Amino acid sequence: DSGVTQTPKHLITATGQRVTLRCSPRSGDLSVYWYQQSLDQGLQFLIQYYNGEERAKGNILERFSAQQFPDLHSELNLSSLELGDSALYFCASSVAGGPNTDTQYFGPGTRLTVL
Amino acid sequence: AQTVTQSQPEMSVQEAETVTLSCTYDTSESDYYLFWYKQPPSRQMILVIRQEAYKQQNATENRFSVNFQKAAKSFSLKISDSQLGDAAMYFCAYRSPPGYALNFGKGTSLLVTP
Repeated sequence: DSGVTQTPKHLITATGQRVTLRCSPRSGDLSVYWYQQSLDQGLQFLIQYYNGEERAKGNILERFSAQQFPDLHSELNLSSLELGDSALYFCASSVAGGPNTDTQYFGPGTRLTVL
Repeated sequence: AQTVTQSQPEMSVQEAETVTLSCTYDTSESDYYLFWYKQPPSRQMILVIRQEAYKQQNATENRFSVNFQKAAKSFSLKISDSQLGDAAMYFCAYRSPPGYALNFGKGTSLLVTP
C-alpha cells in the first residue's frame, strides 16, 4: 500500500458525460501528479500540482481540468467524454515535486470506461 | 523532448535465473533521475529502483540492480534469482525539470516460467 488513495476504483459512463476522479496524497506529500494509461498512448503525464498551485502541464486535453484543494487532495475533471478517454488514471504524490531525490508513489488508479 | 525507449516488448526468464531489461533515453540535461517501476496484473505501479544521474555507482535493491551508462544514455535493469512474483510489466522512467513529472517507456512484459 503506497498511502495514496484514489476513488472511485471503477467508473462506467457514456459519451458526452462529465466525471470527477479524486486523489488523496500520502500524509506529508505536497505534490500531486495525474497520469493516464491507455493502450494507444501508454503512460502519459497529464498535470502536476504543488501545494495548491499548478506546476506543470503535460498532454492534458482542454476538456480535462484539475485542482488541488487546501487539504491537498486533488480532483481530475473529465468532460465531454469520448470513447478514447477510456483508460486507467493514476494519481501519484511526492513530498516536494522538486529536483531532489523525490520519489513519486502511485495510487491504485481509477479505471474509466466510456461507452 | 525527452524520450525513453524500451526495445523489448516481451521477455521470458526461468525461475531462479537472471534477466536484463533494456532502456535507453534521450536528453540534453545533465541532472536527472531514472526509475524502474513494476506493474503487476493488479495494475498498481510499484517503484523498483531509482538512480540519480550524478551518481556513478549503480543502484541496487536486493535482487534488483541497474547498469547505468550515462554517456551511452542506457539504464538497464537486472533481476537476479527471478521469482514467479516478478512477472509483471516493467516501465523505465526518466524525470527532469520543469515539473519533474515522469516520462515513461512503453514497457517490457516479463514472463517468469517455473
